[in-house]
Amino acid sequence: AQSVTQPDIHITVSEGASLELRCNYSYGATPYLFWYVQSPGQGLQLLLKYFSGDTLVQGIKGFEAEFKRSQSSFNLRKPSVHWSDAAEYFCAVGRYSGGGADGLTFGKGTHLIIQP
Amino acid sequence: DAGVTQSPTHLIKTRGQQVTLRCSPKSGHDTVSWYQQALGQGPQFIFQYYEEEERQRGNFPDRFSGHQFPNYSSELNVNALLLGDSALYLCASSSDRADTQYFGPGTRLTVL
Repeated sequence: AQSVTQPDIHITVSEGASLELRCNYSYGATPYLFWYVQSPGQGLQLLLKYFSGDTLVQGIKGFEAEFKRSQSSFNLRKPSVHWSDAAEYFCAVGRYSGGGADGLTFGKGTHLIIQP
Repeated sequence: DAGVTQSPTHLIKTRGQQVTLRCSPKSGHDTVSWYQQALGQGPQFIFQYYEEEERQRGNFPDRFSGHQFPNYSSELNVNALLLGDSALYLCASSSDRADTQYFGPGTRLTVL
């Protein structure tokens, strides 16, 4: 069975500093990997995704993530955070079947706090 | 272009009651998935509907059932509500043969 681990429940970063959120996954087949962001009381917004190709993927809002198969990791990074980045971040894995998006398995999330 | 919409926004029920939540997918999408997000947790996959049939199901009891209509909209039904069913219920839509799900704002269900 697939699983996603986000080791950091909370992370506090100063505004303007760099950010890295960790994600490790367990999956037996070729995975789809996603990062979503959730603001309080809101649904999930897709930041970026990886399926194949270049292991460094660019997303919206200046985020990027790097897929490392040997480490089963898909860490999210941003070079300089803004106060508006404060939110809950979820890593998710899905199965590539060629027939569409299967149900996703999510991590428990990392709560990002931005200090002024 | 309207995104995924869900109704109602909030709902309060008592134990033992039944509830129906509704979802309209993003324009052009034909697949709907439902997720349960308990407080402080990540979303958990309940099931997915495509062509009016349940295509995939997560680890949820039969009290959770669904339906998809010819216009691709979907309902989630939960019978015999338990306190532990209190959660944010998220609907996500996608286009068959596409790899990305787009989420609605969710319905907050409180069971008293």
